[in-house]
Amino acid sequence: QLQLQESGPGLVKPSETLSLTCTVSGGSISSSSYYWGWIRQPPGKGLEWIGSIYYSGSTYYNPSLKSRVTISVDTSKNQFSLKLSSVTAADTAVYYCARHRFLEWATNWFDPWGQGTLVTVSS
Amino acid sequence: QSVLTQPPSVSAAPGQKVTISCSGSSSNIGNNYVSWYQQLPGTAPKLLIYDNNKRPSGIPDRFSGSKSGTSATLGITGLQTGDEADYYCGTWDSSLSADVVFGGGTKLTVL
Repeated sequence: QLQLQESGPGLVKPSETLSLTCTVSGGSISSSSYYWGWIRQPPGKGLEWIGSIYYSGSTYYNPSLKSRVTISVDTSKNQFSLKLSSVTAADTAVYYCARHRFLEWATNWFDPWGQGTLVTVSS
Repeated sequence: QSVLTQPPSVSAAPGQKVTISCSGSSSNIGNNYVSWYQQLPGTAPKLLIYDNNKRPSGIPDRFSGSKSGTSATLGITGLQTGDEADYYCGTWDSSLSADVVFGGGTKLTVL
């Protein structure tokens, strides 16, 4: 059974870089046809897609976050990572990683999801 | 403000049926597939429906999805108290700002 687990600091200072890692178990991150994505949810609010990466390194990013986001993949460790730079209080959210089935014009869904990790931006 | 529009809340009695709408445009729902997610309190979202109307293994057939034009609908029959959750629709937006978009979420209350 495929499982994903987020890890990283729960507190980040304003203007610094948020860094999270998602570890995939029970399956290979190099599976064809799947991307691996990051989604966040500010407290009490809805879901916002951050970006997704294919095992080859190909990425899609949310245009509103693109200038601050870097997603990378380490197939040897079965992990993918998120870096979000110049964070502010508005970046405080629960960050989820998920397997992303995506083919433009054909399909787009996230399953399964990690349990999520709360990242607070505060000095 | 979300690209996809959902009602903030819906409610119904146990055993009844409820529908949740998700309205978009030709650049998203109109030309792409829709997925639906259930988020129980304090938990991660869970895939309920993908490709407009397909259910992943383990999802009961009380849950159904449909799409018409630029709108999609999630239906839940035989409501149970355990169905109380937030529900989100999602799809790809193929406009210039190509990205994954979600609805703002709908809180389902089972009275």
